[in-house]
Amino acid sequence: EVQLVGSGGGLVKPGESLRLSCVGSGFTFNNAWMSWVRQAPGKGLEWVGRIKSEADGGTADYGVPVQGRFTISRDDSRNTLYLQMTGLKTEDTALYFCTYGYLFFSAWGQGVLVTVSS
Amino acid sequence: DIVLTQSPDSLALSLGETATINCKSSQSVLYSSNNKNYVGWYQHKPGQPPKLLIYLASSRGPGVPDRFSGSGSGTDFTLTISSLQAEDAAVYYCQQSLTAPLTFGGGTKVEIK
Repeated sequence: EVQLVGSGGGLVKPGESLRLSCVGSGFTFNNAWMSWVRQAPGKGLEWVGRIKSEADGGTADYGVPVQGRFTISRDDSRNTLYLQMTGLKTEDTALYFCTYGYLFFSAWGQGVLVTVSS
Repeated sequence: DIVLTQSPDSLALSLGETATINCKSSQSVLYSSNNKNYVGWYQHKPGQPPKLLIYLASSRGPGVPDRFSGSGSGTDFTLTISSLQAEDAAVYYCQQSLTAPLTFGGGTKVEIK
């Protein structure tokens, strides 16, 4: 069974940084393309970004709102996906899901809450 | 960026009825090299992560009941839920994966009367 367990959320002030982690199991992590998707309170789903497998280049793509502020990385030896968030804004307040899938997201973590507020 | 526009925003139907949700893309999501449409549909219930229902426009995800079906091509897509069940109350999203940034539609809330 595919499992994704996220951690690292919390309350931070605008301008601060935070790093989310997501540990995957039940699938071959190093072959997987992994993404982060978020949902702001009362809003819909928004793709944050993804990282390809190392075999496919290991590069990351990002949504426009987070480009230049967020960095996605992976540690295949630890089956772990990361989301480093810097320069956080109040509009980054959301539930952050890590997801697994090449083009479509077939498995999701339970969500990690990030609140950005002064 | 590819913009996905869903309609309606919400609908309320009785048990056993059919729900039809539309998703219109600002540009074609048909990949000509393989003639596949890079659209998926998700079901999202409160307090749970989203669930993949349909991928490549019309293929059902694992364990998805056959009352859920997807259709369409190019820029216009439809998710049909036939014989609505109580557990189908949720928000439904379309998503395109043809080009980055991947994008979602705004969502359609399905309520059971």
